[in-house]
Amino acid sequence: EPEVTQTPSHQVTQMGQEVILRCVPISNHLYFYWYRQILGQKVEFLVSFYNNEISEKSEIFDDQFSVERPDGSNFTLKIRSTKLEDSAMYFCASSDWRGAAQTQYFGPGTRLLVL
Amino acid sequence: SQQGEEDPQALSIQEGENATMNCSYKTSINNLQWYRQNSGRGLVHLILIRSNEREKHSGRLRVTLDTSKKSSSLLITASRAADTASYFCATRSLSGGYNKLIFGAGTRLAVHP
Repeated sequence: EPEVTQTPSHQVTQMGQEVILRCVPISNHLYFYWYRQILGQKVEFLVSFYNNEISEKSEIFDDQFSVERPDGSNFTLKIRSTKLEDSAMYFCASSDWRGAAQTQYFGPGTRLLVL
Repeated sequence: SQQGEEDPQALSIQEGENATMNCSYKTSINNLQWYRQNSGRGLVHLILIRSNEREKHSGRLRVTLDTSKKSSSLLITASRAADTASYFCATRSLSGGYNKLIFGAGTRLAVHP
């Protein structure tokens, strides 16, 4: 069964460094999402992406964050200058042409630790 | 206000028993989805129920939706130790932010052999 994959599974970085989290959505999906989950807290929406542009973003998704679909398969989340509070599990998700009205399939996550 | 609040926060049962988890939400929704998360792992989609549906089954899972009460329940029948995980409901709103899922805080289920 097709699945969303994410790399790396774990990332440790120093405060102020840039990190890029990578995702390969399910191949025929057109809608892509990033969510995060701070340890012990709810899963929070960050951003949705469709047709090569951001369709919606949350208050968390400030100027330090950006997303890109550099080619036909990858979907990346960049944090330009990481803060301690960016430490969290980051999940990528995708859904098919019917968009968010349908199931969002999540990847296994990247655990980011900012020191 | 919080969308997608589950109760109980934690549930501990014996193998073979049924587990019922509830979710309440505040805004009008297009659909409601249930996900499972094993400790420190990814989110696994379990079932989606649309706003015009009242009940849905998938294997040992039964989901109900009451839009008048803005609530949903997830029933796992004949539970197994492997069902031990956190369970989250997530809603897709009808208005404002229709792309995103809003997750609840989850119910931690422990099934003891």
